[in-house]
Amino acid sequence: AAGVIQSPRHLIKEKRETATLKCYPIPRHDTVYWYQQGPGQDPQFLISFYEKMQSDKGSIPDRFSAQQFSDYHSELNMSSLELGDSALYFCASSLSGGGSYNEQFFGPGTRLTVL
Amino acid sequence: QKEVEQNSGPLSVPEGAIASLNCTYSDRGSQSFFWYRQYSGKSPELIMFIYSNGDKEDGRFTAQLNKASQYVSLLIRDSQPSDSATYLCAVHNQGGKLIFGQGTELSVKP
Repeated sequence: AAGVIQSPRHLIKEKRETATLKCYPIPRHDTVYWYQQGPGQDPQFLISFYEKMQSDKGSIPDRFSAQQFSDYHSELNMSSLELGDSALYFCASSLSGGGSYNEQFFGPGTRLTVL
Repeated sequence: QKEVEQNSGPLSVPEGAIASLNCTYSDRGSQSFFWYRQYSGKSPELIMFIYSNGDKEDGRFTAQLNKASQYVSLLIRDSQPSDSATYLCAVHNQGGKLIFGQGTELSVKP
């Protein structure tokens, strides 16, 4: 079965640079979530989109922005990168707005390293 | 206090034994609960979800939910070395996001 696709899988950036992470949800899934997982930490919710509209917002820095496009793929844009942004970034997708009974399926993640 | 609490472990069990993983949550209004398995450096993989009080079985896995006690657990029967991973308990928040516990590291010894 098709899964969530993320690109790139690995990314190395310098401080103060920008980065764009992409997520392609499972076909027919209309909701996308972004999570950040630091070393030894649990995944922390950043932001989510349902039908191309932002549906929820978590602990996402103002330096980060995201959007969902007409084909339901999503991009997370990160500017003025800091060393502390080094982490695994996961995208997850679900059906129908992520209601209480909809499971979220995670992509393989993008490992971002900021030097 | 975290919204979702798990024993960080590590939990070590011999091969073939039952592994018991526990999780408590603070939001009494939470309705759905998920167990994810995560190997080091990999993405969380959904194992089980449970919405109703009681037990839910899927193969070697059994999820148990007690909403009155705000407690959810995962039992792994006939544990295998390949089950060695970090197990994340997650609670579905009203806004749609998952709130994760800090994870329990499970080690199954041959």
